[in-house]
Amino acid sequence: QKEVEQDPGPLSVPEGAIVSLNCTYSNSAFQYFMWYRQYSRKGPELLMYTYSSGNKEDGRFTAQVDKSSKYISLFIRDSQPSDSATYLCALDLEYGNKLVFGAGTILRVKS
Amino acid sequence: NAGVTQTPKFRVLKTGQSMTLLCAQDMNHEYMYWYRQDPGMGLRLIHYSVGEGTTAKGEVPDGYNVSRLKKQNFLLGLESAAPSQTSVYFCASSYRVLAGVETQYFGPGTRLLVL
Repeated sequence: QKEVEQDPGPLSVPEGAIVSLNCTYSNSAFQYFMWYRQYSRKGPELLMYTYSSGNKEDGRFTAQVDKSSKYISLFIRDSQPSDSATYLCALDLEYGNKLVFGAGTILRVKS
Repeated sequence: NAGVTQTPKFRVLKTGQSMTLLCAQDMNHEYMYWYRQDPGMGLRLIHYSVGEGTTAKGEVPDGYNVSRLKKQNFLLGLESAAPSQTSVYFCASSYRVLAGVETQYFGPGTRLLVL
């Protein structure tokens, strides 16, 4: 069993839809939870991070962590074609310097 | 400020050949990393370095060697390439943190095909 599971998609939605991206994990010791966005043929870039359970909002993006269920989510409101990318969750035990990545979910937002 | 750069962008090797991938960063970061990315597998850590002159193994180190002779450079070597090493290789760097999250900055990647 992988430490972090993520549905690879692709997930195809119309412009303006609310998108939900999810990861589950098995190690309850993970402390930090991050979402990276990766455009085609580019390196990943950090989108959001959270520490412990709860929600964090940044513009159209909301990251949610439920440590009791070992489940993390990224919500994108009013999705745009420019949001089309691969979204990778990344978890860390300590200080964000040694990450365990999910396989990534391909998102396609159609105009 | 170029960030993280990788050389080369693309390479084709024959089985058994050797090569070195170069990563350079101009952000004065302490930590540097080499990942490989394969379909359905996500990013997997090959080796990493917490400072000049130090290296450590990651999740999938076999078949690779690394060196960090200068703080700004991190080299990944393949001594005898195998088709299983066909992948996209990403280098990343970050500041050292004592607590909290520090962003890892990624390079654009090197696509390697081993025939």
